[in-house]
Parts: sequence; structure tokens; C-alpha cells
Amino acid sequence: EPEVTQTPSHQVTQMGQEVILRCVPISNHLYFYWYRQILGQKVEFLVSFYNNEISEKSEIFDDQFSVERPDGSNFTLKIRSTKLEDSAMYFCASSEFGAGQPYEQYFGPGTRLTVT
Amino acid sequence: DQQVKQNSPSLSVQEGRISILNCDYTNSMFDYFLWYKKYPAEGPTFLISISSIKDKNEDGRFTVFLNKSAKHLSLHIVPSQPGDSAVYFCAASVGGTSYGKLTFGQGTILTVHP
Repeated sequence: EPEVTQTPSHQVTQMGQEVILRCVPISNHLYFYWYRQILGQKVEFLVSFYNNEISEKSEIFDDQFSVERPDGSNFTLKIRSTKLEDSAMYFCASSEFGAGQPYEQYFGPGTRLTVT
Repeated sequence: DQQVKQNSPSLSVQEGRISILNCDYTNSMFDYFLWYKKYPAEGPTFLISISSIKDKNEDGRFTVFLNKSAKHLSLHIVPSQPGDSAVYFCAASVGGTSYGKLTFGQGTILTVHP
């Protein structure tokens, strides 16, 4: 069964460093998402991406964050200068449909980001 | 942001019995609702969904009920199995111009005892 994959599974970085989290969505999906879950809190939407541009972003997704689909298969989340409060589990998701259509988003296993 | 709430942090059920997980929402613009299951160290796994034009959707042991007037949905698992033990998340979205942003509840930990 097709699945969303994410690398690395765990990333430890120092405050102020840049990190890139990688995702390979399901191949025929056209809509891509990043979510995060801080320990003990809800899963929160960060950004959605379609047709090589951001469709929607949350207030969490500030100028320190960016997303890219560099090569038609990978989908990346970059955090330019990490803060302690960026420590969380980051989930990538993809879906076959999007605006105006029913859809299920399929999630990857997540990358645990620890900022020290 | 309390637009989607799961008021029960945990639920314990005997194997073979029914599990009922509840979810309330406040945003009347939500028109699509999903349930996800999550095991530790894994991502959420899609279980079942329901559109706001329906009040019930069934898939095997899983049934989701939607009460729009009460802004309430529930997930029924019958019969419950020990492998169903996981965290269950309710999620909701707004169709139309939305590109799929899901708003999640806090989750309910379901434990099914043999």
C-alpha cells in the first residue's frame, strides 16, 4: 500500500541552526501538508501546498518557515533559525483531492525535532 | 483554538464491547469530518470520514454519526478489539475554498482490555 515517508525520524539541532525536514508524498497525490504536534498538545496545521505554491498557512508558519517541492517527488519543510519552541513532532501529509472535494489526508510517521 | 474538542482524554473498554468516542465542534462552517487513529511513534492513520450532508457512515466495525444541530459527532467501534488500543483524533475541515486544512481535537486514548 502506498505510504508517505519522512526523513529523518529524529533530528537534534542547536538553537539558531537551520533544519530541513523531508517528505515523499504518495505519488499520485497533488496536495501536500505539514502539521506539527508539540508534546502533550494537539496536532496543528502549518501549511498546505498545491501546484507549486502555498495554498494556505497558519499563523505559526512565519517567515522562519518555508516549503518546497524541489524535484517532483520530495516535499520539504525548512526552518531557517530554530527556536526551542520549535521542538515538536512534524508530520507531512498528502491527499488526492483538495478544495471543494472530499478527501482523506494520509500522514507520514513524523520527524521528531529536538532543539537544544 | 478550541474549535474541535474531545472532552474525554481516555476510555477503557472490554474486548467485544462497543467503544464510543465523542467529539464536539463549534465552527458551523465545518462540513467534512474525519477520524484518525494514532499509535505511538507513528503518524495518524485515516479511519473513516463523513460529509455534513450525511448523518451516518459505516465501514466494517467503524461507524461515525454526525449530529449537525448539536455540532457533535461520535465514532462507534463494534466489537472492540485489543488492537484498537490507540489514540483517536477527531478532525474537521471547511470545504469550498479551503485547501484541506484539518483542525484536530486533543485526542482520546482508547484502551481495549482482553
